[in-house]
Amino acid sequence: GAGVSQSPSNKVTEKGKDVELRCDPISGHTALYWYRQRLGQGLEFLIYFQGNSAPDKSGLPSDRFSAERTGESVSTLTIQRTQQEDSAVYLCASSALVSNQPQHFGDGTRLSIL
Amino acid sequence: RKEVEQDPGPFNVPEGATVAFNCTYSNSASQSFFWYRQDCRKEPKLLMSVYSSGNEDGRFTAQLNRASQYISLLIRDSKLSDSATYLCVVDTTDSWGKLQFGAGTQVVVTP
Repeated sequence: GAGVSQSPSNKVTEKGKDVELRCDPISGHTALYWYRQRLGQGLEFLIYFQGNSAPDKSGLPSDRFSAERTGESVSTLTIQRTQQEDSAVYLCASSALVSNQPQHFGDGTRLSIL
Repeated sequence: RKEVEQDPGPFNVPEGATVAFNCTYSNSASQSFFWYRQDCRKEPKLLMSVYSSGNEDGRFTAQLNRASQYISLLIRDSKLSDSATYLCVVDTTDSWGKLQFGAGTQVVVTP
């Protein structure tokens, strides 16, 4: 497709379960970002990929969070042993290699932990 | 100090009026600047890039002030549909080209 695609669009799960969120960036975009946004709050940076490498993991809130990217394309964000405070919208964005290119966002995954 | 700072607002603006707000950044070497808008419960969408000479897109004007390290966004003839949160984005000049988002400025246009 032409844009960033995220799946699932909505996820409801019980506390303690693991969840996996997927992001398909725009074809050819080497930079990929994951953000978290709680209701009524700003974007919270989680992790950034350049190609398949993650030079900046500084935003991951705990060791329950991990992410990987393969083939310089699809990325998955995994949250283990989910907690209620993990409830948020998880947004993925991609951009071209050079730093003066803007990010393009997917629609996000709305995660609700019961 | 945060790398990118914005007044959270809200800026309450009568329809048809002009509103302007700034975004300050801490890295004097930053080269790339953008404004995004985010509607409630939606993803951020690119509004416009900010060029060093300033640029205009319809009712929207963006300016860059390198000396004082801020960018601004001005909206003329505000429409109800302009109500949104406006996010400032600045590159961090790390070797990887990472972009940094501000927390956003909320604008509410009233009839």
